[in-house]
Amino acid sequence: KQEVTQIPAALSVPEGENLVLNCSFTDSAIYNLQWFRQDPGKGLTSLLLIQSSQREQTSGRLNASLDKSSGRSTLYIAASQPGDSATYLCAVRPGYMLTFGGGTRLMVKP
Amino acid sequence: EPEVTQTPSHQVTQMGQEVILRCVPISNHLYFYWYRQILGQKVEFLVSFYNNEISEKSEIFDDQFSVERPDGSNFTLKIRSTKLEDSAMYFCAGTSGEGYNEQFFGPGTRLTVL
Repeated sequence: KQEVTQIPAALSVPEGENLVLNCSFTDSAIYNLQWFRQDPGKGLTSLLLIQSSQREQTSGRLNASLDKSSGRSTLYIAASQPGDSATYLCAVRPGYMLTFGGGTRLMVKP
Repeated sequence: EPEVTQTPSHQVTQMGQEVILRCVPISNHLYFYWYRQILGQKVEFLVSFYNNEISEKSEIFDDQFSVERPDGSNFTLKIRSTKLEDSAMYFCAGTSGEGYNEQFFGPGTRLTVL
């Protein structure tokens, strides 16, 4: 059974810092991996999708990497801003469904 | 930019009552999903739906749950007899392709069972 783990569970950083969020998964047989942002009490906003054949994807200040063989992905956020404060979820797609990690709750302090 | 919409945003019901949660997916999406998130826990897959059939379902999706696409635009999740443990945020999602494309999520319906 696929298990997805995100470390750390919570992170607090000063504004302007570059940071890395980690995601690991137990089964490398995936179609893709998706990173989401979730604000408190809200839905999930898709940030980046990495196909299993890809190594990384970039969108603005976000860069996500995927090492399928080792079961790891990282989300790099450059020059963090208070507006980046949210919970970041990674999810892998072994079939039709997404399997989610528990998220990293990020607080960026002004 | 098109969005997935869900109604209601919050539903309060008594234990044992039936509830129907509604979703309007993005128009060009072909695959549809329901997920739930119990407060403080991971987002969990419930069911996927394609071509008017369930394509995959989780252990959570038992006989108390059903899905349908009654009119080609709405996508509904019905819980026949709600239990306290059904209290959660329910998310609808969709994708335009199979297995390889992004899933786009709605804002969710918060279901509270009393």
